[in-house]
This record gives sequence, structure tokens and C-alpha cells, in this order.
Amino acid sequence: GAVVSQHPSWVICKSGTSVKIECRSLDFQATTMFWYRQFPKQSLMLMATSNEGSKATYEQGVEKDKFLINHASLTLSTLTVTSAHPEDSSFYICSARSRQGGANVLTFGAGSRLTVL
Amino acid sequence: EDKVVQSPLSLVVHEGDTVTLNCSYEVTNFRSLLWYKQEKKAPTFLFMLTSSGIEKKSGRLSSILDKKELFSILNITATQTGDSAIYLCAVEKGYGQNFVFGPGTRLSVLP
Repeated sequence: GAVVSQHPSWVICKSGTSVKIECRSLDFQATTMFWYRQFPKQSLMLMATSNEGSKATYEQGVEKDKFLINHASLTLSTLTVTSAHPEDSSFYICSARSRQGGANVLTFGAGSRLTVL
Repeated sequence: EDKVVQSPLSLVVHEGDTVTLNCSYEVTNFRSLLWYKQEKKAPTFLFMLTSSGIEKKSGRLSSILDKKELFSILNITATQTGDSAIYLCAVEKGYGQNFVFGPGTRLSVLP
């Protein structure tokens, strides 16, 4: 089945630094990937839709200059949290749309837990 | 505005109980409804439903969709402690568009 790899799974950084999170589709091509943020005991909050070869589409309230998304190839999307602050600490999850049994299914990466000191 | 509502938001049962989780939706250009189970990390896929009245089944889990009344249910029979998780319902909007997630149901199965 479709596999999405996300790296790193855990990162701790100092306030003011930037952190890059990678999301790779390992055995399929993903023209579209999604980035979510999840706070403790809450559901997934869509941040942006990443489209290969074009600009990402950000959800309302998400700062595009702070959360930079690049989807340079059909198997890789990156999320860079720029000038991170403690309030950016969260669980970030990516997903990619794949075809399974003739229908679209979202396959998720394992998530990246960001802690900003 | 598109929305997906799940109920209950939280549920505590004992092993062996049967539970029914609910998901209702209002979205434009409905394409499919998906159920996911999330334990400590990323959600894992359970079912995808596109047609009304056709039950999907996997072991002790089953799910069905009603496109007229705009809802789906996820049943878990003979629950086990390993079923403890957040169960997420998501609706796919049209081709090439987004998936809208519900808030999830947090299920706790006590021994």
C-alpha cells in the first residue's frame, strides 16, 4: 500500500530558528499533499494544500511567510517553520492523496513533534 | 460552510461492549467519506465509503453511509483495550479538492 514518510519525527529548537519538516511519498507520486497541525486532544487542523510545481494554498489564518511550503517534486513536500516561537510548538502531520481501489485515500505520515524552547 | 460533525466527542466503555460512532456532514460536492483511527501518531485508514447502504466490514469494525441523511456510523463490536484511540471522520470534496475532518471521537476502552 501507499506509504508516506515524514522526517524528523521529533525536533527541539531554540526560539528564532527555522525548522524544516520533510514529507515523502515512498511508492507513489503525489501531486497534492496536505499539511496539518494538531494540538493535544484536538482534531487535525488543515494548514495548507501543497501542489507540485505551484504555490501552496493556505487556509485562512495561516501565515504563509511563517510556514513556508515547497513541493518541488512529485514525491517530496517540505514545511519550514521560520523564526519559530514557543507557540509554534505542536504536532505537524502531512498526508498525500493516493489511489487505492480506484478511489482517493489520504495516507498520513507519522507526524513531527516540534518543541520550541 | 463545509462541516463535519462527530458524536460523541468522548466515550468510555468496558471491554466487550459494542460502540457506535456517528459522523454527519454538510459539504459541497461530496465525493467520499473516510474513517481513520489515530492512536499516538498518524491516523491510519479504516474505511472509505462512497455509496449509501453498503456496509464495509473489517473484523470487529464495520461502517455504513447514508447519503440521503448525510451521515455515517462506525460500529465496533466486542471492544478491546487496543481499540482505544481517536476515531476521525473525513469527507472528500470533489476531485482535486480537500478533505474536511471532523473533531474526532476519543474512545477509551477500560479492561
